[in-house]
Amino acid sequence: AQRVTQPEKLLSVFKGAPVELKCNYSYSGSPELFWYVQYSRQRLQLLLRHISRESIKGFTADLNKGETSFHLKKPFAQEEDSAMYYCALEGSNYKLTFGKGTLLTVNP
Amino acid sequence: DVKVTQSSRYLVKRTGEKVFLECVQDMDHENMFWYRQDPGLGLRLIYFSYDVKMKEKGDIPEGYSVSREKKERFSLILESASTNQTSMYLCASETGGGPTGYEQYFGPGTRLTVT
Repeated sequence: AQRVTQPEKLLSVFKGAPVELKCNYSYSGSPELFWYVQYSRQRLQLLLRHISRESIKGFTADLNKGETSFHLKKPFAQEEDSAMYYCALEGSNYKLTFGKGTLLTVNP
Repeated sequence: DVKVTQSSRYLVKRTGEKVFLECVQDMDHENMFWYRQDPGLGLRLIYFSYDVKMKEKGDIPEGYSVSREKKERFSLILESASTNQTSMYLCASETGGGPTGYEQYFGPGTRLTVT
């Protein structure tokens, strides 16, 4: 079975502060991991995926197989980063399993 | 730009009614998905399809069925709507794999209220 855990439902930081959204996973094979984001009144969209090792909007995420984690980080949060963030894992059968999400609020 | 459209943004139905939610994608994607999104529960997979006329159960298929007669269209059917099916329903379609991996493209969602 594949499972994704996001331990924080809510996360609140001030503008300019570092932010880390936690994600842990459980999967017996080699996982494909993603972060999806949903801004207010917008559709859910891909933020980044571990396989491409890219940085999007200043966010990065490193896959740590030893700790089975894929935490999302940004050194300096901006107000426009306020959104719902979902960590997701894709297994071998196209099935994407999402975490329950973390609502990030960046205060001015 | 990938376009995933859903037939309704808001829908209000009565208990016991049969409900059809339609999803259309224009990128010739083979894989399509239906999720429901509930506060505190995240997204949960209802059904998915990886080809025309093919379907697979997701994590919460009870009370739902699906239809995929054409590649671009994936329908979610609530045979007899109940109040616990009040939710936001999201459709998604998926690119193939390759070096940059998979990506799901989501529709705007249908907020269904069952009274």
